[in-house]
Amino acid sequence: SYELTQPPSVSVSPGQTAKITCSGDALPKQYASWYQQKPGQAPVVVIYKDNERPSGIPERFSGSSSGTTVTLTISGVQAEDEADYYCQSADSSVTYYVFGTGTKVTVL
Amino acid sequence: EMQLVQSGAEVKKPGESLKISCEGSGYSFTNYWIAWVRQMPGKGLEWMGIIFPGDSKTKYNPSFQGQVTMSADKSISTAYLQWSSLKASDTAMYYCARVKSNYVYFDFWGQGSLVTVSS
Repeated sequence: SYELTQPPSVSVSPGQTAKITCSGDALPKQYASWYQQKPGQAPVVVIYKDNERPSGIPERFSGSSSGTTVTLTISGVQAEDEADYYCQSADSSVTYYVFGTGTKVTVL
Repeated sequence: EMQLVQSGAEVKKPGESLKISCEGSGYSFTNYWIAWVRQMPGKGLEWMGIIFPGDSKTKYNPSFQGQVTMSADKSISTAYLQWSSLKASDTAMYYCARVKSNYVYFDFWGQGSLVTVSS
């Protein structure tokens, strides 16, 4: 089965930059998206198509892609950004969707 | 407003059957795949499968194939996820989400249905 690997946790001080990576063999062939999930809430997409931001998502959220790794960057982190973040993609033939292992972002 | 509204929390015993629902509104329900996602307590998100309400075509994650059944009733814009014989390990939050196939992502989600299986 296809897997996406993320670091378990990232800690950042308010106002600093948080970077979360996601690695997977099919990422060069398929778009990736990122979801934010706060406790007790459903996930919300913050980045899709590698680097597109849905309407209503703050500009401090950005995405990038390089080879088998995609990265979510949160610039000028705020306390409200403390949450779990998941990357998501699909296999090259889009028969199988997959989520990353998840990263807990802690704002110090 | 586009939304997916899921059925409420359920408490069941092992061996019982269950069907949870996901009703779409504010968009053409038959034109978009619907995904089901499991989140076990304290764990990450797992893609279970997708269904196209227009013709009820399905694609399952092999890990869930045979364990659950996805279906849809396009006349009432509702997708379903069902179990014939629940296990304690099925205890989880289950989300439905609309699929944007062109960019393979889930653009909005239901609020989740909590399923608890306990004797």
